[in-house]
Amino acid sequence: GAGVSQSPSNKVTEKGKDVELRCDPISGHTALYWYRQSLGQGLEFLIYFQGNSAPDKSGLPSDRFSAERTGGSVSTLTIQRTQQEDSAVYLCASSPRAWGDWAGELFFGEGSRLTVL
Amino acid sequence: AQKVTQAQTEISVVEKEDVTLDCVYETRDTTYYLFWYKQPPSGELVFLIRRNSFDEQNEISGRYSWNFQKSTSSFNFTITASQVVDSAVYFCALTTSRYSSASKIIFGSGTRLSIRP
Repeated sequence: GAGVSQSPSNKVTEKGKDVELRCDPISGHTALYWYRQSLGQGLEFLIYFQGNSAPDKSGLPSDRFSAERTGGSVSTLTIQRTQQEDSAVYLCASSPRAWGDWAGELFFGEGSRLTVL
Repeated sequence: AQKVTQAQTEISVVEKEDVTLDCVYETRDTTYYLFWYKQPPSGELVFLIRRNSFDEQNEISGRYSWNFQKSTSSFNFTITASQVVDSAVYFCALTTSRYSSASKIIFGSGTRLSIRP
């Protein structure tokens, strides 16, 4: 499809394991965002990319969280040594440049639901 | 620092009633953008509207209308003659504008709207 694709859609892991979450943005969208949504909660900003660069990593909760983007396209969010509090839906969104600036709308994926036992 | 406050956690109204969702924002930037997103029970967030800080005109789209007031730092969303299909979580969001690159987009905590038949 032409939308933002995230995988896996569901991931159950044991505490202490590492997990990788993948995001395929819409082709041509150079801005990419990661958010976390805990059950019944709002969207917590994690990180965003402009191309392959991450100008703002301020939202990453701890040094167990990292993200990268390669080729200006696919992004991977890695959580090391997972904890139960990491359980949430991780949302990826991409954004085009619009109207001569970068404040375009976000196109969201369906999310990756992470459960840490 | 940027902040978005949606003080109404949950709202429940009877179908056909009008309902207003409040959004109050904080930013030191003079150029910024505000957004509303809808998250239906299916889960995927959908863009509703974008408004820049220089355009205070109210906007109407069918049963939806938005009231942007810089004097009170508010960007409220009204649904007229609500319908059951309007039941969802609604998020207000804020970003500053950068011509040369994207920037962080932060979301409020959301308002869960339930429309009863």
